[in-house]
Amino acid sequence: ILNVEQSPQSLHVQEGDSTNFTCSFPSSNFYALHWYRWETAKSPEALFVMTLNGDEKKKGRISATLNTKEGYSYLYIKGSQPEDSATYLCALMNFGNEKLTFGTGTRLTIIP
Amino acid sequence: GAVVSQHPSRVICKSGTSVKIECRSLDFQATTMFWYRQFPKQSLMLMATSNEGSKATYEQGVEKDKFLINHASLTLSTLTVTSAHPEDSSFYICSAPTSLNAYEQYFGPGTRLTVT
Repeated sequence: ILNVEQSPQSLHVQEGDSTNFTCSFPSSNFYALHWYRWETAKSPEALFVMTLNGDEKKKGRISATLNTKEGYSYLYIKGSQPEDSATYLCALMNFGNEKLTFGTGTRLTIIP
Repeated sequence: GAVVSQHPSRVICKSGTSVKIECRSLDFQATTMFWYRQFPKQSLMLMATSNEGSKATYEQGVEKDKFLINHASLTLSTLTVTSAHPEDSSFYICSAPTSLNAYEQYFGPGTRLTVT
C-alpha cells in the first residue's frame, strides 16, 4: 500500500501572507506527482503534473517543486487571497499505470 | 480544461435499495474512467477502473458484485451500489484521463450518498 502524506492537515493564513505545504511519497517506481485544488461542491481542479526531479512549476501565484529522490513536493502560494481557500490534494502516479494514490489533503483557509 | 459531470450530486436512499451514479465526459472521449470513494477525514481511495467495452477492474477489498460498473460508451460510466447499507454512505467521485495526455485526469464534482 502506497503512503502519500500531506502536512499540515489544515492551515489558516492571513490574506496577503505567503504559505506552503508538503506532500511526501515513496520514491520508488515514481512516475508523476499531481497537485489538485478542490473547492467545496466543485470538481477537483488540476494545478500541476510534475514528473522530473528538481522540476519547478508555476501558475500565477502558485508554484510547486519536486524532489523524487527523497520523495517530497512543496506547494507554495504567494500573497494569499480569499479565493485560494480550498483543499489542496497531492496524488502519486506510479510507473506502469494511470492510477492515482491521494494524500488526505491540506485544507487552507485564508482569513480576510 | 476537459469537463466531467456527475449525477446525482446528492442522493438519500433506504437500506436494501440500489443507487446508480452516472459519470460523463462532456467534451472528450474516455476509454477509461476511475471511481473513487472518500470517507470522512480520509483520502480519496480508488475503488475501480472502468474500461469501455470490457469489464471493470476492482481494487483489493472492493466487492464487484456490490459495486456494479458499466462503461457503456466512450462518454459514460455508471456505478451502481446494489443493496446499499448505511456503511456504504460515502462520497463517490469519478475521473477520466483524456486521450491527449494520460497524465492528466479530470474529475467530476462527486456524489454524496446517504443510506438510511
